[in-house]
Amino acid sequence: AQSVTQPDIHITVSEGASLELRCNYSYGATPYLFWYVQSPGQGLQLLLKYFSGDTLVQGIKGFEAEFKRSQSSFNLRKPSVHWSDAAEYFCAVGPHTGGFKTIFGAGTRLFVKA
Amino acid sequence: ETGVTQSPTHLIKTRGQQVTLRCSSQSGHNTVSWYQQALGQGPQFIFQYYREEENGRGNFPPRFSGLQFPNYSSELNVNALELDDSALYLCASGTSGGTNEQFFGPGTRLTVL
Repeated sequence: AQSVTQPDIHITVSEGASLELRCNYSYGATPYLFWYVQSPGQGLQLLLKYFSGDTLVQGIKGFEAEFKRSQSSFNLRKPSVHWSDAAEYFCAVGPHTGGFKTIFGAGTRLFVKA
Repeated sequence: ETGVTQSPTHLIKTRGQQVTLRCSSQSGHNTVSWYQQALGQGPQFIFQYYREEENGRGNFPPRFSGLQFPNYSSELNVNALELDDSALYLCASGTSGGTNEQFFGPGTRLTVL
């Protein structure tokens, strides 16, 4: 079965501290992997994506993610969190071909304390 | 270049009614997908349209239907509304044959009473 698991429902970090959000997926074919961010009352904004090649991908707002095929993981990292990073983060997986059925995880809510 | 837009922003309906949500795709995109995001959950894929035909569907009943128009705008129609249909409905557009990247609109918040 195709699925995305984000083990942490919410995480709290201090401003300036590093961040890692976990994501594990189950997918039969070669996946496209995505991280999205959603602020309250807003739609989804793409942070970064992995299609192929270098397993460490850079995104917007200083985020990066590493694809580890052996662990079926695609964890999101940021070296220094800013208060404006407080939001909901979604990991997602989609097909290389044949449509856009993207499967999302349940999300991780990030709280940033001063 | 305009992004993906959706209307209305908020909507309140009663159980049993019908609702139509609208989406305008980003310029140059030829596919549109709809997602349902219940409170506290990730988005769930409803269906995708390409060249005005449904091109993939998630686990949603037939009372969820859609249309895509030649100008790549789209509608999501839901008949016989149920309380569990209360959610944020997201529209996303993309380009077929590309990298499957989608661009999301801000969503329509539907409340069913």
